[in-house]
Amino acid sequence: SQKIEQNSEALNIQEGKTATLTCNYTNYSPAYLQWYRQDPGRGPVFLLLIRENEKEKRKERLKVTFDTTLKQSLFHITASQPADSATYLCALQYGNKLVFGAGTILRVKS
Amino acid sequence: DAGVIQSPRHEVTEMGQEVTLRCKPISGHDYLFWYRQTMMRGLELLIYFNNNVPIDDSGMPEDRFSAKMPNASFSTLKIQPSEPRDSAVYFCASSLAGGAGGSPLHFGNGTRLTVT
Repeated sequence: SQKIEQNSEALNIQEGKTATLTCNYTNYSPAYLQWYRQDPGRGPVFLLLIRENEKEKRKERLKVTFDTTLKQSLFHITASQPADSATYLCALQYGNKLVFGAGTILRVKS
Repeated sequence: DAGVIQSPRHEVTEMGQEVTLRCKPISGHDYLFWYRQTMMRGLELLIYFNNNVPIDDSGMPEDRFSAKMPNASFSTLKIQPSEPRDSAVYFCASSLAGGAGGSPLHFGNGTRLTVT
């Protein structure tokens, strides 16, 4: 079955720096991958989708890359702010389902 | 757009009791998903519906769990009898198209279930 790995430890960075989160997967080749943000006590919120034929996608301060050879997606937040502190989840398409990684906690300190 | 609405937000019950979680998806969304989130296992898909029909319930842990979608605007997840290991946050999500179509999921804010 498919396996998704995200940074298991929290990522602590200074305000203004670029945060980079990693999502690795095995045993599958998804047609696309999605990234979500989750705040405490809330449901995940969709951020970006990237398809297998796209190398990079941008939205404001967010950038996602998708390397189907390495089976890896990188999620970047540039000029990070304390308000970006949250858990970030990657999700892979698997048929009609989305399979989620465990998430990475990001803490941005001012 | 009111978003996906789940109730109750919190549920505390004793082992052996029946628990019913409720979900109202976004109007016009054809797909509805039930997920469970725990620290140990993360976000797991339990079951999903397309046009009110259950399509894949392979994630439902046991026969104690059942889900229904009697119409396009309402779904329930029932646990009977409940056990302490069922304690988790249960999320409902809806989308315009299924995963194959790339539609993002819209999640509710979940029901935190505690079984003592």
